[in-house]
Amino acid sequence: GESVGLHLPTLSVQEGDNSIINCAYSNSASDYFIWYKQESGKGPQFIIDIRSNMDKRQGQRVTVLLNKTVKHLSLQIAATQPGDSAVYFCAENPGGFKTIFGAGTRLFVKA
Amino acid sequence: GAVVSQHPSRVICKSGTSVKIECRSLDFQATTMFWYRQFPKQSLMLMATSNEGSKATYEQGVEKDKFLINHASLTLSTLTVTSAHPEDSSFYICSAMASGGNTQYFGPGTRLTVL
Repeated sequence: GESVGLHLPTLSVQEGDNSIINCAYSNSASDYFIWYKQESGKGPQFIIDIRSNMDKRQGQRVTVLLNKTVKHLSLQIAATQPGDSAVYFCAENPGGFKTIFGAGTRLFVKA
Repeated sequence: GAVVSQHPSRVICKSGTSVKIECRSLDFQATTMFWYRQFPKQSLMLMATSNEGSKATYEQGVEKDKFLINHASLTLSTLTVTSAHPEDSSFYICSAMASGGNTQYFGPGTRLTVL
């Protein structure tokens, strides 16, 4: 497979605080990026996407930032809630249909 | 919209038997579907890309004779794990891409346990 399995890094935040989850992508040819949320025992859920001609995109309580110079992607979650606790994956599309997933970050929200 | 279902959600089988997992796009047509495997605390690993009406494209290291994929219609792809062994135990997730789109919508996954 193209994604590397690693022990998941963990981010712990207090309820109500903002969360920032970072991701380094691998392919400079990637032109489409997606963030997914995966809760335990479930499939990934689409959160937000961004194309390479943009550097920022906002959704409801979420913002994705793209820095193509350093191949870095981040997901910001405003006013983090307990329901945001999950594993978050960034994914890149280097062209064609294939999507390459990052290793994932586990977000814990403390009440 | 863009709902993908998988069946079964959980399956336990004996070593040596075959297991079929179905992936359906419920409210859209999917020319392309993808099959992933996910081990505990790891990311999703693409196994194969399934195209309606043609042979699936398998990733390097994935045995096509062991993981049989059939994409017979625009709303259904099946993955059959043949002669399953305990090391095949994993969480199998499918996704579907709407015709003309490039966003993947994921199914809820199937937990396979091989005894």
